Amino acid sequence: DSGVTQTPKHLITATGQRVTLRCSPRSGDLSVYWYQQSLDQGLQFLIQYYNGEERAKGNILERFSAQQFPDLHSELNLSSLELGDSALYFCASSVGVGGPYEQYFGPGTRLTVT
Amino acid sequence: AQSVTQLDSQVPVFEEAPVELRCNYSSSVSVYLFWYVQYPNQGLQLLLKYLSGSTLVKGINGFEAEFNKSQTSFHLRKPSVHISDTAEYFCAVSDWETSGSRLTFGEGTQLTVNP
Repeated sequence: DSGVTQTPKHLITATGQRVTLRCSPRSGDLSVYWYQQSLDQGLQFLIQYYNGEERAKGNILERFSAQQFPDLHSELNLSSLELGDSALYFCASSVGVGGPYEQYFGPGTRLTVT
Repeated sequence: AQSVTQLDSQVPVFEEAPVELRCNYSSSVSVYLFWYVQYPNQGLQLLLKYLSGSTLVKGINGFEAEFNKSQTSFHLRKPSVHISDTAEYFCAVSDWETSGSRLTFGEGTQLTVNP
């Protein structure tokens, strides 16, 4: 158990819909990362937050957005869903930012868009 | 930009045999290198990491990796594998000086240990 929790574990929804994925980092970790794992794209970095502020952006679509709240949990919002958005979405957390801090991964949320 | 190439998508081996999973990276600056393991229906777990110092890094579950700067490689090895090592293994790089703490992952290597 990494100490990172993600809800829900599974999500099935239809094209065009909007969903919210939730992540709670390990106790004491200030930085949260979101990654997407799909068969065709592999594991890709989406976005990073540190203590409530966006710090880095990767291959995140404009239809996707995220935020980190004062209690440090984070949410990833996916809208206008397409079939290709079906993937496993991981959240990871680390103590800090700007250094080789170990990232601890949650169990993931499996999103299926039908 | 940094990138990672895992040279084998699938590696089948017999139990108690040695194994090497190959990883090459490219980056214009100093990097930190990681190996993660993903068991079925689970998240990623850190096996080991190279930050600096000794080029031979030991990790959990008997795994080790060697950082080779001249060959830009970071191959993962285990002298004797178990059935329980069956999983997908990911090599990752972070050049935090230019790209922050984000990890760039390779495509993964599925290790299957057969009895």
